[in-house]
Amino acid sequence: QITLKESGPTLVKPTQTLTLTCTFSGFSLSTSGLGVGWIRQPPGKALEWLALIYWDDDKSYSPSLKSRLTITKDTSKNQVVLTMTNMDPVDTATYYCAHSPFGDPARDWFDPWGQGTLVTVSS
Amino acid sequence: QSVLTQPPSVSAAPGQKVTISCSGSSSNIGNNYVSWYQQLPGTAPKLLIYDNDRRPSGIPDRFSGSKSGTSATLGITGLQTGDEADYYCGTWDSSLTAGVFGGGTKLTVL
Repeated sequence: QITLKESGPTLVKPTQTLTLTCTFSGFSLSTSGLGVGWIRQPPGKALEWLALIYWDDDKSYSPSLKSRLTITKDTSKNQVVLTMTNMDPVDTATYYCAHSPFGDPARDWFDPWGQGTLVTVSS
Repeated sequence: QSVLTQPPSVSAAPGQKVTISCSGSSSNIGNNYVSWYQQLPGTAPKLLIYDNDRRPSGIPDRFSGSKSGTSATLGITGLQTGDEADYYCGTWDSSLTAGVFGGGTKLTVL
């Protein structure tokens, strides 16, 4: 059974850097074809794709946020970390991590998802 | 403004059928695979359809997916009140080299 759980601060101040950790079980990111992605959802709004990292360290980022995002993996800890710099109140959202099983972003999907963590940006 | 366009809302009576459209372009839906997600109120999204039209184990065959050209469609038959949720389409955009989601569709079962 694959499970993922997001952790990190619930409140950050504007201009600060957000660091979120996705801790997973049931698979290894050293296994060919597997990946972990990050998706966010502002309150009452739609899902927004943020970033994706694969077993071979291939990384993809949302073009609109690329300059602010970094995704890394720690295979030994079964963790994926997302950092987002220069946080702004508009970045207030629930942040999800999710498992990508196929290894080809043109075909991949997210299943399952973590429960999500709400991050509020406010001074 | 989402890259993929979905109707904001759809509704139908219990037992009826509903379809939800997802419109894109040749850089996304036209040349890549589509997945669909169900988000019940207050919960994380759940995969309903992958590879345009395939259902994961445990997803009832009341849910179906299809793709034609630069559009995809989610179909739900035998509507139940428990199907009330937000539904999202997603795919890869080869021009953006990033994933994209639709703006979501709220399903109301009257």
